[in-house]
Amino acid sequence: AQSVTQPDIHITVSEGASLELRCNYSYGATPYLFWYVQSPGQGLQLLLKYFSGDTLVQGIKGFEAEFKRSQSSFNLRKPSVHWSDAAEYFCAVGVKSKSSGGYQKVTFGTGTKLQVIP
Amino acid sequence: GAGVSQSPSNKVTEKGKDVELRCDPISGHTALYWYRQSLGQGLEFLIYFQGNSAPDKSGLPSDRFSAERTGGSVSTLTIQRTQQEDSAVYLCASSWLGAGGLSYEQYFGPGTRLTVT
Repeated sequence: AQSVTQPDIHITVSEGASLELRCNYSYGATPYLFWYVQSPGQGLQLLLKYFSGDTLVQGIKGFEAEFKRSQSSFNLRKPSVHWSDAAEYFCAVGVKSKSSGGYQKVTFGTGTKLQVIP
Repeated sequence: GAGVSQSPSNKVTEKGKDVELRCDPISGHTALYWYRQSLGQGLEFLIYFQGNSAPDKSGLPSDRFSAERTGGSVSTLTIQRTQQEDSAVYLCASSWLGAGGLSYEQYFGPGTRLTVT
C-alpha cells in the first residue's frame, strides 16, 4: 500500500524567509501528488497538484513544488513566507489500486504545522 | 457554484447514542470520500464511494461505523453507540473521475465536529 511521510510535524519560520516542507511517498510507480492547506477553522484547500509533465509545478498563493522521482519526494516551497501562510499543510498521493476497486485512492500525510513569526 | 456542504457543523452527543452525519457533494462529482481528523492528527481515511457503491471501506474503524450514498449524491455516515474516542472532525470530500478512474483534486466540506460526552 502507498504511504506518505511528512517528517516535520511543526516548523517555525520568520516572515519573509523561505520555506520548504518535505514530503516523501512510498509507491512502486509514479503517483499523483497533491498539497493541501488547512487554515485554522477552515476546510482543506488544494494548493497544487502533479499528474505528469513538468516536475516543477506552480500553485496558488505563490507556492511551488518539485517532484523528484529518484528521491520519491514532492517538497513544497515558497520563496518568501507571509504571516497569512500560517496553517497546516498536507501532502497527499493518489494511486490506482485493486483494493480500491481499480479507482484512485488518495492517502494523506499527517501534516506539517507552519508557524510564522514576525 | 456550490461547494461541498456538511451538516450539522457541530454535534454533541452522549456516549452510547447513535449519530448521523450528512454530506452533500458538488453536483456531478461521482467520487465521495469520508475522513476523520482527530485533534492534532492528520486525515484518517474512512470510506470511498464511487457512485452509490463503496469499493473501499477499509478505513472504517469498527462495525459501529457505516455509510451509505443514495442517488449518487448525498451520503450519510452513521456511528452507532458512540464512544468518546469517536470525538473528531469528520470531513467529506468529493471529486470527479476522469478517464481510467483517475480522481482529480478533492473538494472538501467544512466538516462536522463531533463531541461525545
